[in-house]
Amino acid sequence: AQKVTQAQTEISVVEKEDVTLDCVYETRDTTYYLFWYKQPPSGELVFLIRRNSFDEQNEISGRYSWNFQKSTSSFNFTITASQVVDSAVYFCALSEGGGTDKLIFGTGTRLQVFP
Amino acid sequence: DVKVTQSSRYLVKRTGEKVFLECVQDMDHENMFWYRQDPGLGLRLIYFSYDVKMKEKGDIPEGYSVSREKKERFSLILESASTNQTSMYLCASSTGRDSSYEQYFGPGTRLTVT
Repeated sequence: AQKVTQAQTEISVVEKEDVTLDCVYETRDTTYYLFWYKQPPSGELVFLIRRNSFDEQNEISGRYSWNFQKSTSSFNFTITASQVVDSAVYFCALSEGGGTDKLIFGTGTRLQVFP
Repeated sequence: DVKVTQSSRYLVKRTGEKVFLECVQDMDHENMFWYRQDPGLGLRLIYFSYDVKMKEKGDIPEGYSVSREKKERFSLILESASTNQTSMYLCASSTGRDSSYEQYFGPGTRLTVT
């Protein structure tokens, strides 16, 4: 069965620290997509990144970076030099390709960045 | 920018009431979704729709129904609200035929059933 595990329920850091949010997934398919979403206190989930299963290149966008490793079924998210505005709940999600429809979410990691 | 709006941010209803949650998207997306979010459980899919008048059950459809009469609008209906339906409800939309595309979310409706 498809599953996404975010083992870290809550992480607290002080501003400017680097922080990594872990995501481990399970799927039988060879074609699938992985996502990260951010949910700030306002409640609306914001799309951050999509990665397909054939592209294992790491991605960097400003202070955000993602490490996709098929060998360990992980898609970890690192925030460099964290800021208070990074405080949010972060969700990792899995979607299978090939016409299936469900997006399977992890339980989320709450990140608190203190000044 | 894609905009997904939900009719209410907060809603309080009594047990047994019929409840309508409305969602509207303005980007001509084919797919629309309803999730509920509960602490420790993440987001769980209730129903989704590929097209007007099309709907499919998600993981937890019991106690809910949906309606999609127009492409831009997707309604979630609680036929007889119960206290265990107290939750945050999130609507989302996406383009494309399958969920390999990112979904865009509304701000959510926090429903309390007393």
